[in-house]
Amino acid sequence: DAGVIQSPRHEVTEMGQEVTLRCKPISGHDYLFWYRQTMMRGLELLIYFNNNVPIDDSGMPEDRFSAKMPNASFSTLKIQPSEPRDSAVYFCASSLRTGTGELFFGEGSRLTVL
Amino acid sequence: AQSVTQLGSHVSVSEGALVLLRCNYSSSVPPYLFWYVQYPNQGLQLLLKYTSAATLVKGINGFEAEFKKSETSFHLTKPSAHMSDAAEYFCAVINTNAGKSTFGDGTTLTVKP
Repeated sequence: DAGVIQSPRHEVTEMGQEVTLRCKPISGHDYLFWYRQTMMRGLELLIYFNNNVPIDDSGMPEDRFSAKMPNASFSTLKIQPSEPRDSAVYFCASSLRTGTGELFFGEGSRLTVL
Repeated sequence: AQSVTQLGSHVSVSEGALVLLRCNYSSSVPPYLFWYVQYPNQGLQLLLKYTSAATLVKGINGFEAEFKKSETSFHLTKPSAHMSDAAEYFCAVINTNAGKSTFGDGTTLTVKP
């Protein structure tokens, strides 16, 4: 079975450019999570969706960040405009259900903003 | 509110030695607890989970963890370390009402030959 698929795996861009990260969750999973991982702040939950509806976006750092889930098989995380401090590894994870459900992580998108 | 504290950001053991990674949690409701492992340049994957059944939980690759309510702990152990165990390990607690997990800061395990 295919796992959580993220693209691109690596992105290098210049400050001020728009960045779009993509995620395809595991088929049948109800929940989708976006995390950011940095050395300084560790693993942070940015936003999560249940049945394509955003449930909690309190972790989104600022208005430059936005996330959408137009259907059950696709989600995007967009940063516009990007800044050097956005450099991090962004993970998408999905879960069959919350509570006892484990998180299945993608391999991450490593973003470098110059 | 819930939180997780992992004691020791770096742990180093010799191959064949006992592995002990510490995790303490705080939760206002009975917790569900998880250990995840992250190998370099990969995402996290589940090692084991506690969901209010048996307090001693066995996971993959010979790891196990014991839930101790009195100590609010969920320490991860493995009797004999292998070189392939070198990775970063994360403890997590989930708020079943809110549906989101809180992760610890992670512990990097180094295994010396």
